[in-house]
Amino acid sequence: AQSVAQPEDQVNVAEGNPLTVKCTYSVSGNPYLFWYVQYPNRGLQFLLKYITGDNLVKGSYGFEAEFNKSQTSFHLKKPSALVSDSALYFCAVRDMEGTGFQKLVFGTGTRLLVSP
Amino acid sequence: DVKVTQSSRYLVKRTGEKVFLECVQDMDHENMFWYRQDPGLGLRLIYFSYDVKMKEKGDIPEGYSVSREKKERFSLILESASTNQTSMYLCASSLFRLDGAYQPQHFGDGTRLSIL
Repeated sequence: AQSVAQPEDQVNVAEGNPLTVKCTYSVSGNPYLFWYVQYPNRGLQFLLKYITGDNLVKGSYGFEAEFNKSQTSFHLKKPSALVSDSALYFCAVRDMEGTGFQKLVFGTGTRLLVSP
Repeated sequence: DVKVTQSSRYLVKRTGEKVFLECVQDMDHENMFWYRQDPGLGLRLIYFSYDVKMKEKGDIPEGYSVSREKKERFSLILESASTNQTSMYLCASSLFRLDGAYQPQHFGDGTRLSIL
């Protein structure tokens, strides 16, 4: 079964500093990986995805993610954090079994707190 | 922009009641999903539907049922509400593509359900 792990419940970073939110995956076959963000009292919003190709994927709001096959990781990054980036971030992997190919399996989430 | 609308933001019900959560999407998406979100557990899939009148169990279907009589509407039903079903419920939809290419899920803002 496909799964993702987000080892940090919370990440704290100062505004203007680079940020990294970690995600590792476990899949059979090629992984299809995603990042979503949830702002307070809102649903999740799609940030970016990795299917194939370049290991560095660019997404919305200046975020990017680095796919590393040898380390089975898909870390979310941003060169310069903003206070408005404070939110809950979810890593997800596509479930490729049976009719579940449109399903996602989500991690437990990492809260990002950017201080002024 | 895709809009996924959940009928209630907050709902309070009593143990044993039959509870209906409604979700409507306006983009003619084939796929619709119901998740529950709990702190430390992330999002867990309850049920999903890939067509009208079609449904499949997710990871935690016990105590829930769903109905999809029209393409735009996907209802989650708690047959006999219990306190352990107190949670945030999120609805999502996505487009189905014949080539199997992944289309991002679009989420509603959630219904916070309390069972007393």
